[in-house]
Amino acid sequence: GAGVSQSPSNKVTEKGKDVELRCDPISGHTALYWYRQSLGQGLEFLIYFQGNSAPDKSGLPSDRFSAERTGGSVSTLTIQRTQQEDSAVYLCASSNYHTDTQYFGPGTRLTVL
Amino acid sequence: DAKTTQPTSMDCAEGRAANLPCNHSTISGNEYVYWYRQIHSQGPQYIIHGLKNNETNEMASLIITEDRKSSTLILPHATLRDTAVYYCIVKRNAGNMLTFGGGTRLMVKP
Repeated sequence: GAGVSQSPSNKVTEKGKDVELRCDPISGHTALYWYRQSLGQGLEFLIYFQGNSAPDKSGLPSDRFSAERTGGSVSTLTIQRTQQEDSAVYLCASSNYHTDTQYFGPGTRLTVL
Repeated sequence: DAKTTQPTSMDCAEGRAANLPCNHSTISGNEYVYWYRQIHSQGPQYIIHGLKNNETNEMASLIITEDRKSSTLILPHATLRDTAVYYCIVKRNAGNMLTFGGGTRLMVKP
């Protein structure tokens, strides 16, 4: 079946602009995670959605970052007033709550000029 | 979640078995051992996970010592496409984020 998909695959934006990144999880997966990975670095957790529960936003680096998950499926990560340090690959993962094996999408490479 | 220790890099000849070790001496009883890999410029790929029994799937085998303080990921017949960074992660199941350490950079050579 289809895996996790993300769009766009690449995004180049100017400093100060807002961007939206989209994640389509695996059908039926109730949990959805957003991470980011800077060049040569490990994963940095951003936010976690589980079903209808309130999301765990503890990893969001600033109030410029927000995320929504509509209808328990598609999620959008929004970065307002982008800064150069926001440049990274943004990764989405989804899992079935009971097994919690996380499957990743291909990521969105964000470049802020 | 428990911390893991892996060698920084390893080489393996194409067609041979690649054995990637991981130490997790502070693992708790309810923590699983997960392995992921990341090929350059791609998202992390799930490989295998286990609690205390050895596990095998179409990609690899996972051998966990009886005291659970270390494990080995085995790629039985490594190919050039297995060149990647391999991450060993220990975490409780259900609703926890993944934390990647430095991983092992495996280079499969012809």
